[in-house]
Amino acid sequence: GQQVMQIPQYQHVQEGEDFTTYCNSSTTLSNIQWYKQRPGGHPVFLIQLVKSGEVKKQKRLTFQFGEAKKNSSLHITATQTTDVGTYFCAGPKQGAQKLVFGQGTRLTINP
Amino acid sequence: DTEVTQTPKHLVMGMTNKKSLKCEQHMGHRAMYWYKQKAKKPPELMFVYSYEKLSINESVPSRFSPECPNSSLLNLHLHALQPEDSALYLCASSPNEGHNEKLFFGSGTQLSVL
Repeated sequence: GQQVMQIPQYQHVQEGEDFTTYCNSSTTLSNIQWYKQRPGGHPVFLIQLVKSGEVKKQKRLTFQFGEAKKNSSLHITATQTTDVGTYFCAGPKQGAQKLVFGQGTRLTINP
Repeated sequence: DTEVTQTPKHLVMGMTNKKSLKCEQHMGHRAMYWYKQKAKKPPELMFVYSYEKLSINESVPSRFSPECPNSSLLNLHLHALQPEDSALYLCASSPNEGHNEKLFFGSGTQLSVL
């Protein structure tokens, strides 16, 4: 079945370094969403991308949707300790009205 | 009010117990969801309610029984659970059902089955 693959599984950086997580699908996605889950917390919606080649920014976060709408990335510039958490991408399951979450990338930061 | 409220926050139950998880939202959302999340894993969809009717059941064992008394409330009744059912149970809502809808998650119920 259609899956949304996310890499890397873990990433540890020094505070101030950049961070990127990637999401890939074997099929074209109508949209992709990104969520952040802090340790001990719940997923919180960050953004939704819909258009081919779309790029959206939220302060230090940059989200991209690939031209073929099969991949997406989240890039954080100059990480801060508040960025710690697990970042999930989520895409629609083919033929179904539901989202499928990627495995997540767990970001830890050395202050 | 942009919150999804879940109670209780923590629950410990034996395999013979019956308990219920509760979820409430007052955003006027018509779709409500139950997700199960194991440690270091993504949320996995269990049930979807749309306009108070069960829309999706992801082949969840019958020991989990959802209920949607009205458009603001969602319950998950638990009976004869197994230790492997221990997980974080997340409720979510969205304006409507659909894969392009933004999900609002509650803070979850951390369930331990002994």
